[in-house]
Amino acid sequence: DGGITQSPKYLFRKEGQNVTLSCEQNLNHDAMYWYRQDPGQGLRLIYYSQIVNDFQKGDIAEGYSVSREKKESFPLTVTSAQKNPTAFYLCASSIGTGSVDTQYFGPGTRLTVL
Amino acid sequence: AQKITQTQPGMFVQEKEAVTLDCTYDTSDPSYGLFWYKQPSSGEMIFLIYQGSYDQQNATEGRYSLNFQKARKSANLVISASQLGDSAMYFCAMRELHSGGSNYKLTFGKGTLLTVNP
Repeated sequence: DGGITQSPKYLFRKEGQNVTLSCEQNLNHDAMYWYRQDPGQGLRLIYYSQIVNDFQKGDIAEGYSVSREKKESFPLTVTSAQKNPTAFYLCASSIGTGSVDTQYFGPGTRLTVL
Repeated sequence: AQKITQTQPGMFVQEKEAVTLDCTYDTSDPSYGLFWYKQPSSGEMIFLIYQGSYDQQNATEGRYSLNFQKARKSANLVISASQLGDSAMYFCAMRELHSGGSNYKLTFGKGTLLTVNP
């Protein structure tokens, strides 16, 4: 089955630690995205990547880092510089970045800072 | 100004009835796409329906239809014959093509929580 997987589903982090969230897709999509969702809010874009070895900052990139070494994978690292990392993180992918290109989402990772 | 406005924080509907979820948007781009997503309590965002700014007809996907009124800048989602499994958060989103290169992202509204009563 084609789709997007994210792991882990739940993640707990101590203050001062970096953690990495995994996102893998087998849809052969070129573009991938990371969004953050806070309670009662819509999604906000953290980073996106249009092709392998290229990525761009979104609206709230501070305290986060990404890599895109393979087409299928787009991991997100939440660094200790992120002041309020507790949130729900969603990864998405699309064929391209045109206005008609639908973004499909993974099941999400819920990160809690202890 | 918010680009996507969903004015209904919560909505209730009886099973088997139709319900309309409101969405208004703000853009000066002539080319854009409008999307509706469903987010059940599990958290996954599920794509429901898409409407392009140049589409002449309203989009439909099964029990979902999009009431697109371009002049009013509204893109309301209509769910017919509601089912208990339709209970979820619903998000309206927009993707603009020409706005200063920002054609990569979806801009989301804050969502509407739909509850279907038996």
